[in-house]
Amino acid sequence: QVQLQESGPGLVKPSETLSLTCTVSGGSISSYYWSWIRQPPGKGLEWIGYIYDSGSTNYNPSLKSRVTISVDMSKNQFSLKLSSVTAADTAVYYCARRGPTGDGMDVWGQGTTVTVSS
Amino acid sequence: DIQMTQSPSTLSASVGDRVTITCRASQSISSWLAWYQQKPGKAPKLLIYRASSLESGVPSRFSGSGSGTEFTLTISSLQPDDFATYYCQQYSSYPTFGQGTKVELK
Repeated sequence: QVQLQESGPGLVKPSETLSLTCTVSGGSISSYYWSWIRQPPGKGLEWIGYIYDSGSTNYNPSLKSRVTISVDMSKNQFSLKLSSVTAADTAVYYCARRGPTGDGMDVWGQGTTVTVSS
Repeated sequence: DIQMTQSPSTLSASVGDRVTITCRASQSISSWLAWYQQKPGKAPKLLIYRASSLESGVPSRFSGSGSGTEFTLTISSLQPDDFATYYCQQYSSYPTFGQGTKVELK
């Protein structure tokens, strides 16, 4: 079955850019919407944005000015860049697939912890 | 954006109890609502989509209902594996989540 795996640095300095990649295995990245969601320590879930295989994107308005999500079909990967990070961006970052009917997110990565600190 | 408010924030219950969690939307979202279960250190798991449709492989003791602005998740007979935090999420517009309801052992 489809599995997702996040990868990237676990520590990012303030004002720098956070970069994460999600690798899709066991299935194609085509014809689905792929999301990034984050969860600060001890807090709830926040949707960051999604991308379709065509490259069309939609972002959370509160993060839109700092977020870029891109897709690499040849590698079956999609990526997140979040610029000008602060301590408030410290969180577990998840990648997830929106279900085939467009309802909910049915496949999730295990999550990767990113800490913003100097 | 559409705000999602869950109640209660914490729920204490015993094995075998019937448990109900409520989620309210700040405006109508039709039936565009999902429920997730999250255990500590794990990713969320989709339980219910489109307010009342059970995700494949999810036990039938989980059920969802509601439309418009008020929704409920019911666990008909709480099992030991069900102690977790539950989140609702709307997808009528860009996705937003409720703040979560922690189901703990009484």
